[in-house]
Amino acid sequence: DVVLTQTPPTLSATIGQSVSISCRSSQSLLHSNGNTYLHWLLQRPGQSPQLLIYLVSRLESGVPNRFSGSGSGTDFTLKISGVEAEDLGVYYCVQGTHAPYTFGAGTKLELK
Amino acid sequence: EVQLVESGGGLVQPGRSLKLSCAASGFTFSNYYMAWVRQAPTKGLEWVASITNSGGSTYYRDSVKGRFTISRDNAKSTLYLQMDSLRSEDTATYYCTMFDYWGQGVMVTVSS
Repeated sequence: DVVLTQTPPTLSATIGQSVSISCRSSQSLLHSNGNTYLHWLLQRPGQSPQLLIYLVSRLESGVPNRFSGSGSGTDFTLKISGVEAEDLGVYYCVQGTHAPYTFGAGTKLELK
Repeated sequence: EVQLVESGGGLVQPGRSLKLSCAASGFTFSNYYMAWVRQAPTKGLEWVASITNSGGSTYYRDSVKGRFTISRDNAKSTLYLQMDSLRSEDTATYYCTMFDYWGQGVMVTVSS
């Protein structure tokens, strides 16, 4: 199975600070059809996960544009340009290129 | 508005069965692959099973193969997860999802 390694496991930030989360894959996530099925989710405390970014860099409808995704192959990054209080929670990367779906272990974003 | 509403969870003894349901609304259910993802208490997300939009193909993580069965009724816009021979390690919140949207989750506790 594909292993997704997220770093850091915990991130402390102040409001307005920009932060980045890394997700590294044990193998390339480029599918033979040309798509890269790497997505980012946010799970706020006590809530279900929600999709933030899909296909590496595409912003899900309704998600603020302070969130951005980048990367290719095996290295991917989620950036939050100016953390807001509502951004606190656990961020997961997930891949769907290779069966089975696998998730990163999560990065907990908390207030400093 | 897209809604995924899970039901059927609860406390069950090891070796017994439980069937989860997920009622979908607000979108054309028959157009989407669906999945069950679980989250053990204080742990990360783990994909359990997926089913194609027609129901013709199903996929399972190794640890549930032969014990869990995913199915769907497109006429009723409902996804199911039949869980047999339950083990303590199956204790988790189970989410119905197509990754764009997630249900609120349903808790399954396997304990004697």
